[in-house]
Amino acid sequence: KAGVTQTPRYLIKTRGQQVTLSCSPISGHRSVSWYQQTPGQGLQFLFEYFSETQRNKGNFPGRFSGRQFSNSRSEMNVSTLELGDSALYLCASKEYGGRWTGELFFGEGSRLTVL
Amino acid sequence: SQQGEEDPQALSIQEGENATMNCSYKTSINNLQWYRQNSGRGLVHLILIRSNEREKHSGRLRVTLDTSKKSSSLLITASRAADTASYFCATDSYSGGYQKVTFGTGTKLQVIP
Repeated sequence: KAGVTQTPRYLIKTRGQQVTLSCSPISGHRSVSWYQQTPGQGLQFLFEYFSETQRNKGNFPGRFSGRQFSNSRSEMNVSTLELGDSALYLCASKEYGGRWTGELFFGEGSRLTVL
Repeated sequence: SQQGEEDPQALSIQEGENATMNCSYKTSINNLQWYRQNSGRGLVHLILIRSNEREKHSGRLRVTLDTSKKSSSLLITASRAADTASYFCATDSYSGGYQKVTFGTGTKLQVIP
């Protein structure tokens, strides 16, 4: 099976712009989670989608949003970019939602730089 | 917010030595997992230990879990230069009926050839 695919891998934006990141999970995986990784804050949970519905949400402002499509692909959007949004954004998929115990499969990440 | 705090933050050892990393967490958990991340890449799952288990082995990895102390340790034996990476513990709990995985702060391991 193909792994988790994230696009784009690298992007540079300026303050005030918006950005959309895409994640294609492993085939058959219906749950997609997003994480923000920065040197100062580490790995922070953004949100999780399962069957096109947001199941969990981390402590991020409303500028961060996401969605999931019927084929389980997910996108996250950040509007009105700030310098502090510069980070590695990681997507992870898993096979089940709800009461699942198992591993997360991560993509290689999208490295966002805000100038 | 971080559920897990790991120590040390950084560890440098010689090839062939053992590396031990510790993780402490705050709330009750269902499972604890360890992940590895090479610089700037995605995370790779290493091992999962359930809350009713005390020790687990996988190849050169040994994980222990002490739920009374809310702590876990990861031991990598006979380390290799290729083990150089950051290692994260991850705990899962339930939020609103759904599992939520929270990562620790990570330990950066350097294995010197």
